[in-house]
Amino acid sequence: DAGVIQSPRHEVTEMGQEVTLRCKPISGHNSLFWYRQTMMRGLELLIYFNNNVPIDDSGMPEDRFSAKMPNASFSTLKIQPSEPRDSAVYFCATSKGQPYGYTFGSGTRLTVV
Amino acid sequence: AQSVAQPEDQVNVAEGNPLTVKCTYSVSGNPYLFWYVQYPNRGLQFLLKYITGDNLVKGSYGFEAEFNKSQTSFHLKKPSALVSDSALYFCAVRDSNDYKLSFGAGTTVTVRA
Repeated sequence: DAGVIQSPRHEVTEMGQEVTLRCKPISGHNSLFWYRQTMMRGLELLIYFNNNVPIDDSGMPEDRFSAKMPNASFSTLKIQPSEPRDSAVYFCATSKGQPYGYTFGSGTRLTVV
Repeated sequence: AQSVAQPEDQVNVAEGNPLTVKCTYSVSGNPYLFWYVQYPNRGLQFLLKYITGDNLVKGSYGFEAEFNKSQTSFHLKKPSALVSDSALYFCAVRDSNDYKLSFGAGTTVTVRA
């Protein structure tokens, strides 16, 4: 198994541009999570999908952020328009559900200039 | 509600000495407990977990952790630390009634040669 695959690994964009981060979960994992990691706030859960359905998006910072999971093998996190304070490492993690833990992707390092 | 505390931001030890990284938790139901390690510019990697059964669990790279219900702790230990163990360590808890994995703030471990 190739694990959780995230793309791109690095993204540098200008303020105001749209950014799309991608995630391919492990086959058979029915839960998918998007996290953001910064030095100041640590790991923050942004949104959780179960069986492709968004269950909890209370961690999404504002309307500029949106996430979709059109099928069991693909999810996107979009920021439009991007701002410098969105600079962070964004992780996708997936799970088979209780009582299992999560498997994390390698992350996307986003820099908004 | 569930939460995790890692009381130490940093732990410094000499190579060959025992390593302990502390973690305490709070859940309303039964806890599922996890340790993850993050190396620079990498995602979080699973080390070990406690779900049920023996309070002492063994994991990857020679690490182990002991579940202590009365003290609500799940400290990570390694009898003899290696320089290569230098990394950021996260404790996480999942209530048996919840889907969410709550992470501590992380502890940076530095093992000096």
